[in-house]
Amino acid sequence: DAEITQSPRHKITETGRQVTLACHQTWNHNNMFWYRQDLGHGLRLIHYSYGVQDTNKGEVSDGYSVSRSNTEDLPLTLESAASSQTSVYFCASSSNGREETQYFGPGTRLLVL
Amino acid sequence: SQKIEQNSEALNIQEGKTATLTCNYTNYSPAYLQWYRQDPGRGPVFLLLIRENEKEKRKERLKVTFDTTLKQSLFHITASQPADSATYLCALASGGSYIPTFGRGTSLIVHP
Repeated sequence: DAEITQSPRHKITETGRQVTLACHQTWNHNNMFWYRQDLGHGLRLIHYSYGVQDTNKGEVSDGYSVSRSNTEDLPLTLESAASSQTSVYFCASSSNGREETQYFGPGTRLLVL
Repeated sequence: SQKIEQNSEALNIQEGKTATLTCNYTNYSPAYLQWYRQDPGRGPVFLLLIRENEKEKRKERLKVTFDTTLKQSLFHITASQPADSATYLCALASGGSYIPTFGRGTSLIVHP
């Protein structure tokens, strides 16, 4: 069965460290997204990609970067982790159409100390 | 500015009753609206999509209405069960990017 996975599921890091969160999907979807979810804010879009070599900034992209070297993976990098980036991070993917359902991963819980 | 509002207070209902959740929006011209379910510690799961030119959509015990004049969508679960307890998110996508923007979600608790 096709799926979308994230790793690690839980991560504790220190302020200033670089952190990379992995996202891997086997749906063969062109579109991939990264969101963060915080109490009181809901899901907010960080970065998204419509295909290989394509990346775009979302609503809350400062301090984050992504790269898309293949269809399956969209890793999210926190260049220099800050306590404000403590959150739950969700990766999602969707097919190419305009009204496509987003399929979400299980999430990564990140704590920045 | 664009805003999506869902009731932040949890909705508590008795098993067997109909649950109705509300999603209001401002400053959007949505092409479509989606509802997702999210269980604790898990990612959202898609439930239903309704387009701007549709008034109502049904799927089993679920019903969604979409009123673009009132700028509101209602999500109904009939004959609710304790297993329906979860957080329900609405998401709107405009014709420009078709990337959905999510509301904060409403928690539903169905008591046996």
